[in-house]
Amino acid sequence: DTGVSQNPRHKITKRGQNVTFRCDPISEHNRLYWYRQTLGQGPEFLTYFQNEAQLEKSRLLSDRFSAERPKGSFSTLEIQRTEQGDSAMYLCASSITPNTEAFFGQGTRLTVV
Amino acid sequence: AQRVTQPEKLLSVFKGAPVELKCNYSYSGSPELFWYVQYSRQRLQLLLRHISRESIKGFTADLNKGETSFHLKKPFAQEEDSAMYYCALIGSSNTGKLIFGQGTTLQVKP
Repeated sequence: DTGVSQNPRHKITKRGQNVTFRCDPISEHNRLYWYRQTLGQGPEFLTYFQNEAQLEKSRLLSDRFSAERPKGSFSTLEIQRTEQGDSAMYLCASSITPNTEAFFGQGTRLTVV
Repeated sequence: AQRVTQPEKLLSVFKGAPVELKCNYSYSGSPELFWYVQYSRQRLQLLLRHISRESIKGFTADLNKGETSFHLKKPFAQEEDSAMYYCALIGSSNTGKLIFGQGTTLQVKP
């Protein structure tokens, strides 16, 4: 599968634990985006990268969230001290440029218990 | 503020009936508008974008700047069209970040 890959697909964690998700974009795509989707809502933008540079972070991204994209390849999204409100589907997308089609991964579903 | 509104959570039609999924947006400039679709157990994927003016799987969408709408239409619904549909906009071409509506579930009954 040469599409956007996200791991793990599902994660169940206890409140207060740290979690890390990984996204592998399509190889030639410079842009990488993270979105969060809660039940009954559309995806909401969290942050994006141009190669290794993180260019924008949403106000939704509290201090407990951090994202990296070392060497402009894969990206990780870490959530520290998880809360029940963090339970959601976390989506990654990539594109060649801002104006070209964004391809989405299948998402990581996080459940905080 | 940039916002996309899809007023219907669920649209249920019979096979062969016309379909119109409504989308209204709020943006002060000239946004790019998109429709994304998510079929059962599949990832979110682009259906069409207004600048391409294409018809994909029989669907079309016209950008109406006066009414700030981008409704998705298909003259004859098929059962395989059953899916979740999201309208989205890109407000700034430099970021490429998508602002999504809440989504509409289209259910096409046999």
